[in-house]
Amino acid sequence: NAGVTQTPKFQVLKTGQSMTLQCAQDMNHNSMYWYRQDPGMGLRLIYYSASEGTTDKGEVPNGYNVSRLNKREFSLRLESAAPSQTSVYFCALRRQGMNYGYTFGSGTRLTVV
Amino acid sequence: GENVEQHPSTLSVQEGDSAVIKCTYSDSASNYFPWYKQELGKRPQLIIDIRSNVGEKKDQRIAVTLNKTAKHFSLHITETQPEDSAVYFCAASNPNSGYALNFGKGTSLLVTP
Repeated sequence: NAGVTQTPKFQVLKTGQSMTLQCAQDMNHNSMYWYRQDPGMGLRLIYYSASEGTTDKGEVPNGYNVSRLNKREFSLRLESAAPSQTSVYFCALRRQGMNYGYTFGSGTRLTVV
Repeated sequence: GENVEQHPSTLSVQEGDSAVIKCTYSDSASNYFPWYKQELGKRPQLIIDIRSNVGEKKDQRIAVTLNKTAKHFSLHITETQPEDSAVYFCAASNPNSGYALNFGKGTSLLVTP
């Protein structure tokens, strides 16, 4: 039971390249989230998905797209990477029920040069 | 949207002293308030949380208080130890944005022996 699995852990991109950050859960919960974390800024919400097939913008969605094709996976895509997207990206899910709370993935450290 | 402010941004205490970190939130619909500890290069780790129908919660050396009327909540760490040194984040969960967590910008706590 890994909870939330993010891949890759590290990535270096050139400006203009595209890539997809993958996030998968094995906990069967509906709500999933993508955050970015920059020094001194805390975690900021990029997109969220309340259930399979639905997505909504968060605080900083520009330059990103997401996909929630099934309950298990929530991917984040950078179509044309920019240096301003250099950050650490965390995927999270919301656990409902008796064990209410949030589970975070281990993060993806992305550098755009 | 929800705005969470956190103070102070840095805090230095002597081992054995208490540390207090304060947060305010803007949206009265927020109903769940977790505190996270994050060590360098790691994902946020939950240390304590409180729901909006509770005023105070304690877990050994850590306590959280919530004032719904004033929209502020605080983290109290007693008998601090050097291993408490880390960055601490408060957050508020708002049902109006899919229960996404809105984070403060963090407090860097240093406990000196």
